[in-house]
Amino acid sequence: KQEVTQIPAALSVPEGENLVLNCSFTDSAIYNLQWFRQDPGKGLTSLLLIQSSQREQTSGRLNASLDKSSGRSTLYIAASQPGDSATYLCAVSIYNQGGKLIFGQGTELSVKP
Amino acid sequence: DTAVSQTPKYLVTQMGNDKSIKCEQNLGHDTMYWYKQDSKKFLKIMFSYNNKELIINETVPNRFSPKSPDKAHLNLHINSLELGDSAVYFCASSRRSGGVSTDTQYFGPGTRLTVL
Repeated sequence: KQEVTQIPAALSVPEGENLVLNCSFTDSAIYNLQWFRQDPGKGLTSLLLIQSSQREQTSGRLNASLDKSSGRSTLYIAASQPGDSATYLCAVSIYNQGGKLIFGQGTELSVKP
Repeated sequence: DTAVSQTPKYLVTQMGNDKSIKCEQNLGHDTMYWYKQDSKKFLKIMFSYNNKELIINETVPNRFSPKSPDKAHLNLHINSLELGDSAVYFCASSRRSGGVSTDTQYFGPGTRLTVL
């Protein structure tokens, strides 16, 4: 059974700092991995999607890496800003399971001005 | 311009009532999903439809019945609501290719259901 874990559960950093969020999964037979952002009381916004054949994806100040064999992904945020404060969720999609996403519990990020 | 929309945004009701949540997407996707986010913010898949056909049905009480009238709509009807059904319900959609979801899933804003 696939399980997704995110560490840390919460993180508080000063503005301008570079930071790394971690995601691990127990079954390496994934189809893709997605990182989402959720603001309080809002829906999920997709940040990056990495296919199982890829090693990383970049979008602006965000870089996500994937090491399928070790069951790990990281989301790197460069030069953090107060507007980055949100909960970041990692989710994996499994082969032959209709595209359902299995989510981690999320990392709640607070960037202090 | 909203890609995935849900109505209502908030739903407060008494135990035992029957209620529906509607979802619509204008992205041209062929696959739609319902997820439940509990009080601890943990998200879990409930159902998925591809081209109006049910493809995922997780261990969900049969009081929950999804209905997909067409590819752009996926509604969720809940009978005999219980206190434990209180949660935020998210609809999502994606494009499916070769029998597997390969694309990003786009989420709606969520429906906060409170059962009193």
